[in-house]
Formats: sequence, C-alpha cells, structure tokens
Amino acid sequence: AQSVTQLDSQVPVFEEAPVELRCNYSSSVSVYLFWYVQYPNQGLQLLLKYLSGSTLVKGINGFEAEFNKSQTSFHLRKPSVHISDTAEYFCAVSETGFQKLVFGTGTRLLVSP
Amino acid sequence: DAGITQSPRHKVTETGTPVTLRCHQTENHRYMYWYRQDPGHGLRLIHYSYGVKDTDKGEVSDGYSVSRSKTEDFLLTLESATSSQTSVYFCAISSTGGGNQPQHFGDGTRLSIL
Repeated sequence: AQSVTQLDSQVPVFEEAPVELRCNYSSSVSVYLFWYVQYPNQGLQLLLKYLSGSTLVKGINGFEAEFNKSQTSFHLRKPSVHISDTAEYFCAVSETGFQKLVFGTGTRLLVSP
Repeated sequence: DAGITQSPRHKVTETGTPVTLRCHQTENHRYMYWYRQDPGHGLRLIHYSYGVKDTDKGEVSDGYSVSRSKTEDFLLTLESATSSQTSVYFCAISSTGGGNQPQHFGDGTRLSIL
C-alpha cells in the first residue's frame, strides 16, 4: 500500500523568499502525484499534478514540483512567496488503476512580512 | 470551481444521536468520496461510491455508513455519534476512477460531538 510523508508540519518564511515543501512517498507500483492547497475554512484546491512525462511540473500561483523517482520524492517549490500563500499544503499519491488518494499529514506554510 | 455543495456546513450534536451529512454535486461525476480531516492525520478516506447504489469502504469506515440513491447525492451517516467522530468532513468527486484524475473537493462540514 502506498503512503506519503510530509517531513515538515510547519514552514515559516518571509515574504518574497523562496520555499520548498518536502514530500516523499512509498509505493510498489507506478504512481500519480498531486499537491493540494487548503486556505482557512475552505476545501482543497488542486495546485498541480504529475501523471507522466516531464518530471518538472508547473502549477497555479507560481508553484512547481519535481518528481524524482529514485528518491521517491515530489517536492513543491516557489521562488518567491506572497502573504497570500499562507495556507496548508497536502501532498497526495494514487496508484495506477483505481484512484484511492492517500494524503500526507500536511505542511502549514506561514508567510510573514 | 466544481459544483459541490456540502450541508450542513457546521453542526453540533450530542453523543449517541444520529447524524447525516449531505454532499450534492452538479457535475454528473460518477465517483464520490467522503473524507475526514484531523490534525496530524491529513485526510483519510471513509467511504466512496462508484455509481448509484455502488459504494465501498475506505480506510476509516467503522461507525459510518453511506448511501447514494441518485448520481448527484452522496449521504454520510453516523448512526450513533461518538466524540471521536468530531472532525471536519469533506466530500470529493471525480469523473472517473482512474488514478490520473484529480478529485475536486467541497468546502467541508465541521462536526462537533459533545
């Protein structure tokens, strides 16, 4: 069975600084990978997804992620964060075949001025 | 945004009472899911449906039941609520069951059981 580990529960960063949110997964088969963002009192919104092809995936709001199969990682990055990026970010994995999404425990990104 | 409406948005109830949460979608998607979100656990799948009257258990299904009598509605029932079921509940939908299809989420129901 697949699993997802988000190594940091909280990441504080100053506005306009770069940020990386880490995600590692475990699976015995090929996977699809997703990053979702959750703003306060809202549901989850899809940021980006890796299905196949190029390992560098670009998403909304200037975020990107890189799939690294050898390290089983899918880290999320943004070169310059804004206050409005303050939210919780979830990494999720599903295996090929039926889609059961397995989520990590989330990383809270706190952007301060 | 995907047309997903969860009701109620907030509910406070007492231990031992039955509770039903509703998820309504306007996208005509075949797959619907119920998750619970708890601190330190992320989102965990409770039940899912792959068509009218077709449902299956997820990771944390004990104490929950579901029903889907119409494509657009997916109900989650706590037959006898317990304090451990205090959580935020999210409904999600997807057009197919393939792992490459992202799920779209509702805004959640915050349930408190006293």
